[in-house]
Amino acid sequence: AQTVTQSQPEMSVQEAETVTLSCTYDTSESDYYLFWYKQPPSRQMILVIRQEAYKQQNATENRFSVNFQKAAKSFSLKISDSQLGDAAMYFCAYRTRSGNTPLVFGKGTRLSVIA
Amino acid sequence: NAGVTQTPKFQVLKTGQSMTLQCAQDMNHNSMYWYRQDPGMGLRLIYYSASEGTTDKGEVPNGYNVSRLNKREFSLRLESAAPSQTSVYFCASSSGLPTDTQYFGPGTRLTVL
Repeated sequence: AQTVTQSQPEMSVQEAETVTLSCTYDTSESDYYLFWYKQPPSRQMILVIRQEAYKQQNATENRFSVNFQKAAKSFSLKISDSQLGDAAMYFCAYRTRSGNTPLVFGKGTRLSVIA
Repeated sequence: NAGVTQTPKFQVLKTGQSMTLQCAQDMNHNSMYWYRQDPGMGLRLIYYSASEGTTDKGEVPNGYNVSRLNKREFSLRLESAAPSQTSVYFCASSSGLPTDTQYFGPGTRLTVL
């Protein structure tokens, strides 16, 4: 079974600085998707970024980028120029490409942004 | 375009009571999902429906039943609530295509006394 591990339960960053959240996963599949979701205090789950495993290029969305290392099964999220609104729980998630398979989530990293 | 809606937003039950959580999506998605979120556990899949007329168990299905009423609606029922079912419940939907993204509802906070 696939598993997703987020080894940092909590992180903090100074406003305007850069922070990297770690995620590793375990799978025997070769084709899959990886996601980072943000959950602010409102509880709403918001997609931050998505990476297709067959793409070598790392995904980027404005201040958010990933470092996808397929051989190492690592998928870290980098937040640049951190803002107070970035404070939230961040969840890494995995799903296979085949069929309508659900997401497998990590346990999350709580990010605090210090003004 | 409301996306994924859930009712109710909050609910308190006594042990042994039953209730149904409602979920609806207006994005014409084929697949729908129910997750529960507990502190330090992330989101865990309870049941999902890959398409209208089908349902499958997820990681933690015990104590729950689901109904895919039509393409839009996917309900989650607790027949006899237990304190261990105190949690935040999320419904999600996706198109079912390989490149799809799951979209989440706002969640239901359920407390079982």
